[in-house]
Amino acid sequence: GAVVSQHPSWVICKSGTSVKIECRSLDFQATTMFWYRQFPKQSLMLMATSNEGSKATYEQGVEKDKFLINHASLTLSTLTVTSAHPEDSSFYICSAPPPELAAFIYTDTQYFGPGTRLTVL
Amino acid sequence: KQEVTQIPAALSVPEGENLVLNCSFTDSAIYNLQWFRQDPGKGLTSLLLIQSSQREQTSGRLNASLDKSSGRSTLYIAASQPGDSATYLCAVLLLIGGTSYGKLTFGQGTILTVHP
Repeated sequence: GAVVSQHPSWVICKSGTSVKIECRSLDFQATTMFWYRQFPKQSLMLMATSNEGSKATYEQGVEKDKFLINHASLTLSTLTVTSAHPEDSSFYICSAPPPELAAFIYTDTQYFGPGTRLTVL
Repeated sequence: KQEVTQIPAALSVPEGENLVLNCSFTDSAIYNLQWFRQDPGKGLTSLLLIQSSQREQTSGRLNASLDKSSGRSTLYIAASQPGDSATYLCAVLLLIGGTSYGKLTFGQGTILTVHP
């Protein structure tokens, strides 16, 4: 079945640095990908919708200049956390809709990556 | 704005018990509802998807029901096992005009612990 991967699986960085997280669709093309953030013991919150070849759509309250999204190809979307601070420490998960309409209707509206744990010191 | 609430926040049961997890949502104009499992530090595993026109779905020991008009869904787990221990999330999909895939809104999850 379709797989979405993320890299790295975990990262520790110093405050003020930038961190890039990659999200790849491994055996299918994804014109749209989603980025979520999950704080400890909380639910997933949609941050932005990444669109191949165009600008990302950000949810209300998400800083565009801080969370840079680039959907450079049909299999890769990247999230860059710029000037990271401890409050940005979180679990970041990406997802992509399945390529088959039947899967979207009957089994999975989105395939999720395994997540990236970001810790900012 | 769609809000999704899950009750209880946490549940601890002995092995073998049947249990019910609850999910409610405020906007009934959903396209579908999905139940996920999340293990600590991991991504999401889809368990069941219920289309808005359906009342329930079953997979093995899992049964999910949907009452769209009242904004409620339940996930029933039969004969629980220690391996069922995880966080269970429900999410509803709203189709947004101008997009193909809509937007998923998640509940905060129910942390389930099944002890031997």
